[in-house]
Amino acid sequence: QSALTQPPSASGSPGQSVTISCTGTSSDIGGYNSVSWYQQHPGKAPKLMIYEVTKRPSGVPDRFSGSKSGNTASLTVSGLQAEDEADYYCSSHAGSNSLGFGGGTKLTVL
Amino acid sequence: EVQLVESGGGLVQPGGSLRLSCAASGFTFSNYNMNWVRQAPGKGLEWVSYITNSGSDTYYADSVKGRFTVSRDNAKNSLYLQMSSLRAEDTAVYYCARDGGRAWDNDCWGQGTLVTVSS
Repeated sequence: QSALTQPPSASGSPGQSVTISCTGTSSDIGGYNSVSWYQQHPGKAPKLMIYEVTKRPSGVPDRFSGSKSGNTASLTVSGLQAEDEADYYCSSHAGSNSLGFGGGTKLTVL
Repeated sequence: EVQLVESGGGLVQPGGSLRLSCAASGFTFSNYNMNWVRQAPGKGLEWVSYITNSGSDTYYADSVKGRFTVSRDNAKNSLYLQMSSLRAEDTAVYYCARDGGRAWDNDCWGQGTLVTVSS
């Protein structure tokens, strides 16, 4: 089953923008508009930040945005704030009634 | 307030069994498909299992197929994960998560329960 590829780390200074990539295949990211992104602070449960590639749940700041091109999805965090420091995970429907997650990216706010 | 609360985790020997529960509140549980997702210590998220709102259909990751069984009791607003033939690599925090009903997104998560498989 699907294991999506994310960079292990990313960083940016307060106020800057940072983009995290998530690479899959035509069997998952490229085949469905079902990419989600989750934020996880240490010791806490994941929180949904983006669904259906580009949509934000109620309450998620519009500093968070998602996109997709081919087999690669991206999460962009604009106007970085200290509280954005966390682990971020992408996920995608992977066919055959399964869900794949990326390995996670640790975002550091410098 | 939408809430999911897992329980049932603990220490179990390799080859043993354990049943996790997830109590749902604050929403109409029977309207939602549900997932189990796990996270090994210091590692990333791994999808484990999915069950439809009625319980009629269930799906599993290859890593747990044949060993884990997901079920639910809509009258009790509860989700379950029966785990058997446990292995060291099943050690993880297990989260129940509500499927958002859109595109395999999980819009609400419990706090997780830790399962440790060790002799």
